[in-house]
Amino acid sequence: NAGVTQTPKFQVLKTGQSMTLQCAQDMNHNSMYWYRQDPGMGLRLIYYSASEGTTDKGEVPNGYNVSRLNKREFSLRLESAAPSQTSVYFCASSPRDTGQFFGPGTRLTVL
Amino acid sequence: QQQVKQSPQSLIVQKGGISIINCAYENTAFDYFPWYQQFPGKGPALLIAIRPDVSEKKEGRFTISFNKSAKQFSLHIMDSQPGDSATYFCAAGSFGNEKLTFGTGTRLTIIP
Repeated sequence: NAGVTQTPKFQVLKTGQSMTLQCAQDMNHNSMYWYRQDPGMGLRLIYYSASEGTTDKGEVPNGYNVSRLNKREFSLRLESAAPSQTSVYFCASSPRDTGQFFGPGTRLTVL
Repeated sequence: QQQVKQSPQSLIVQKGGISIINCAYENTAFDYFPWYQQFPGKGPALLIAIRPDVSEKKEGRFTISFNKSAKQFSLHIMDSQPGDSATYFCAAGSFGNEKLTFGTGTRLTIIP
């Protein structure tokens, strides 16, 4: 039981490049989330998915797109990376009515 | 709009002392209040959580105190240990809606 896994762990991009962050969970949770964590800002929700086939914007969705490929997988795509997207990205999942379980994070640097 | 305010930003406590972190929320629809612990280079991990039907919840050395009328809740770490040194986040959410709003975090350092 791996919990929530994220790939890659680290990534460096140049401004304008695109990339997809991958997330998978093996806990059969319905809900999945993408957050970014910046110093002094806490965790801010980018997008979430309450169930397979549905996605909704969070607090900071601009510049990002998501895909809930199936119940296990939820990917985050940066179409044209900007330095302001330098951050640590966390994926999380949750069953109904209880806490969220986080992955180990992806540290992204955009030059 | 920040809906969960957390203080202090950083906290230094001596080993064996009590660490106290406070959070205040604005949205009266919130009815689920978890605390997360994060070590450097790791993802946040659920530590303890409370619902507003009780004013206090204790798990080992960790206690959440909840004041519904003041819209405040706090984390108390008794007999603080160096291994408790981490960043702590409070959060708030609504029953049936799994989204959480997080505080900005408190970096706790326990010194010998």
